[in-house]
Amino acid sequence: EIVLTQSPGTLSLSPGERAALSCRASQSVIGTNLAWYQQKPGQAPRLLIYDASSRATGIPDRFSGSGSGTDFTLTISRLEPEDFGVYFCQQYGTSPSLTFGGGTKVEIK
Amino acid sequence: QVQLVQSGAEVKKPGSSVKVSCKASGNTFNSYGFTWVRQAPGQGLEWMGGIIPIFGSTRYAQKFQGRVTITTDESTSTAYLELSSLRSEDTAVYYCARIPHMMTVMHYFDQWGQGTLVTVSS
Repeated sequence: EIVLTQSPGTLSLSPGERAALSCRASQSVIGTNLAWYQQKPGQAPRLLIYDASSRATGIPDRFSGSGSGTDFTLTISRLEPEDFGVYFCQQYGTSPSLTFGGGTKVEIK
Repeated sequence: QVQLVQSGAEVKKPGSSVKVSCKASGNTFNSYGFTWVRQAPGQGLEWMGGIIPIFGSTRYAQKFQGRVTITTDESTSTAYLELSSLRSEDTAVYYCARIPHMMTVMHYFDQWGQGTLVTVSS
């Protein structure tokens, strides 16, 4: 099964700054079958990005995804106060099991 | 926009079983798949398995094989997760989610239920 390693564990940034979150796979993800989710405390995850770089419905264009193979990045171009939370990556290209990364916590200074 | 509404919190004894429901609004139930993901307190997300209602086909994570059963009831647009032989490590919030694809559970998830807390304690 593919192991996804997210870094950094915690990111502390000020509003307006750029955030880059990394998701590294233990083996190549088939196609670009990688998604990103945002989760706020006490809430369910929310889909941000699918197929590595496609924004989900209603997601602001300050969120963008890139990457292929084993290295993927979620970029938030200009942080807004509401962007705090934990971000998870997920691969869904390789059987037998889809897997999630351990998460990156984004703290707003 | 579809809504997924899950059943309420449960407290269970070790060794028992739990069945959590997830009711989907709208009339396109068979156009999608459904999956279950759990999250232990303070931990990450863990995929348990999924189902494609139109085919009744299921796929489970190896970790849960033999203990988990995912089913659907088209007449009520409801998906179910049943987990047996519960132990304390199964204490978690269980989420259902929609798969925007009708052919595979190996996909991303675009709508989520609100979560159901299952506590396993003697």
